[in-house]
Amino acid sequence: QVTLKESGPVLVKPTETLTLTCTVSGFSLSNARMGVSWIRQPPGKALEWLAHIFSNDEKSYSTSLKSRLTISKDTSKSQVVLTMTNMDPVDTATYYCARISWTDIEKYYFDYWGQGTLVTVSS
Amino acid sequence: SYVLTQPPSVSVAPGQTARITCGGNNIGSKSVHWYQQKPGQAPVLVVYDDSDRPSGIPERFSGSNSGNTATLTISRVEAGDEADYYCQVWDSSSDHPGVFGGGTKLTVL
Repeated sequence: QVTLKESGPVLVKPTETLTLTCTVSGFSLSNARMGVSWIRQPPGKALEWLAHIFSNDEKSYSTSLKSRLTISKDTSKSQVVLTMTNMDPVDTATYYCARISWTDIEKYYFDYWGQGTLVTVSS
Repeated sequence: SYVLTQPPSVSVAPGQTARITCGGNNIGSKSVHWYQQKPGQAPVLVVYDDSDRPSGIPERFSGSNSGNTATLTISRVEAGDEADYYCQVWDSSSDHPGVFGGGTKLTVL
């Protein structure tokens, strides 16, 4: 059974750095063709892709947020970590991690999602 | 960056057919994926690669993709289908490769 679970602070102050952890089970981050993305959703708004990392350590970031994001993985702990620097109230959102799947190269989709974690940015 | 356009809302009576569109430049050349999101819940994949269904998704959910429009069709709509629906493509040439549409609220009358 594939599961993903996000963890991290529920409240951060403006200018602080957010660190979120996605703990996965039911699949291994070391297996070939495995990948995890972070996706966020501000209250009442649409989904926004942030970043991904694959088992071969290939990484990609949203260009608009690239300077603030870092994604990494700890295969031994089955965890993917996202850090976002210089948090602002507009970054208030539910942050999801999701497993990437595909049937052909670069036709990626998200077949399993975590429950999400709401992060509020406020002083 | 690549843009996906969805209607903000679609309304349908129970038992009828709902069609939710997703517009994009030459979207027919891409694989389109669809997610259902109910209030307070994480999105759930309902269609991938234009028209394939994950296991556990009813056959009432189907998809098509051609030209500049992809469509999610929900047949024999039930009250439990009321949710937000998002289309998604992967555009590696975009600054936002994991592209989502703005979402469509499906209301069952």
